[in-house]
Amino acid sequence: GAVVSQHPSRVICKSGTSVKIECRSLDFQATTMFWYRQFPKQSLMLMATSNEGSKATYEQGVEKDKFLINHASLTLSTLTVTSAHPEDSSFYICSATATGELFFGEGSRLTVL
Amino acid sequence: QKEVEQDPGPLSVPEGAIVSLNCTYSNSAFQYFMWYRQYSRKGPELLMYTYSSGNKEDGRFTAQVDKSSKYISLFIRDSQPSDSATYLCAMSAGPTNAGKSTFGDGTTLTVKP
Repeated sequence: GAVVSQHPSRVICKSGTSVKIECRSLDFQATTMFWYRQFPKQSLMLMATSNEGSKATYEQGVEKDKFLINHASLTLSTLTVTSAHPEDSSFYICSATATGELFFGEGSRLTVL
Repeated sequence: QKEVEQDPGPLSVPEGAIVSLNCTYSNSAFQYFMWYRQYSRKGPELLMYTYSSGNKEDGRFTAQVDKSSKYISLFIRDSQPSDSATYLCAMSAGPTNAGKSTFGDGTTLTVKP
């Protein structure tokens, strides 16, 4: 299957700082990328849908000014958690699609101290 | 009440056992059903997808959908220790909506040698 790479896989930061997570489709051009959040032993919760060159569409309850999404090319989307707080600590996962089938990244574990 | 309910387990079976994983759902709009496998600290990996009621087989895996009961199952035959993971069911209105799937909370499976 296609490969989606996420970086960093783990990040620890201080409260109040911003953290950027990258999601890259390595061997295909992704028309759409999705960002999810997953708490321990819970399901993936869709945060936003990102299409190249346009503004991301956020799900209800997700603060777009806190979770900045940029989709600058067909192979790269970034999620920036701004002014992170301990409650933002979670596992963030991206997925990418070109044909409808989803390919997930490895996830990024964010810990905010 | 959640749209998708999945027994979180944990489920522990001996190697070689048949495993049955199940989800129920309440939204009749769901027509596309997926099963993902997620290893610890990794992103989900698509195992199987199906559109219609009935069975779909792929190697040791069988996906079963009963739309009249709003119930889906994943059977794993001859389970192996490498099958130890969390299994997520997911469903959407169609394959083009897969990115916006509603996920179950996942069932954690351990297959003991």
